[in-house]
Amino acid sequence: ELKVEQNPLFLSMQEGKNYTIYCNYSTTSDRLYWYRQDPGKSLESLFVLLSNGAVKQEGRLMASLDTKARLSTLHITAAVHDLSATYFCAVLYSGAGSYQLTFGKGTKLSVIP
Amino acid sequence: EAGVTQFPSHSVIEKGQTVTLRCDPISGHDNLYWYRRVMGKEIKFLLHFVKESKQDESGMPNNRFLAERTGGTYSTLKVQPAELEDSGVYFCASSQVERGASPSQDTQYFGPGTRLTVL
Repeated sequence: ELKVEQNPLFLSMQEGKNYTIYCNYSTTSDRLYWYRQDPGKSLESLFVLLSNGAVKQEGRLMASLDTKARLSTLHITAAVHDLSATYFCAVLYSGAGSYQLTFGKGTKLSVIP
Repeated sequence: EAGVTQFPSHSVIEKGQTVTLRCDPISGHDNLYWYRRVMGKEIKFLLHFVKESKQDESGMPNNRFLAERTGGTYSTLKVQPAELEDSGVYFCASSQVERGASPSQDTQYFGPGTRLTVL
């Protein structure tokens, strides 16, 4: 059974600071996703990482993937209040005709002015 | 382009009642998925449709849950009879294909969810 562990689950940080969210997963996969969710809203796809060493950046967020360590990170640079949301990593399990995402518990990020 | 929509946004029912949730996927997306998040837990997969066919229903918790996708467009998820442990947020997602040459083709796009409370 594929397991995805995300930490921390809660993160309170000051504006301007840097921090990293970690996502460990237990089984090989070729699709790792980072989603963002604002309260009451849809999960918004931020990044999809495909291969070892992949790095993607969008604004103050940068995601990376180490498939050997089965670890992805989401790095936040110089946080601003608008980044406050819950961030999920999810790994695609594909086998025997199944294409389901397995999610971490999510990291609730609060950026404090 | 409209995203995935779900109705209702909230539903409060009593134990033993029936509730039907609806999901409208992004137009042209053959793949439709249901997930749910019980409070304090991870978002968990329920099932996957390809057009009107159930591709994978390995995550359905029991036979009180019935999902349909008539005509391969919108989908409904019925819970009958509802139990207390069914409370949570039910998400629907859709993708163009199951596995594509480009990740944008198989990325699952989520709706805002339906918050179900069973009293």
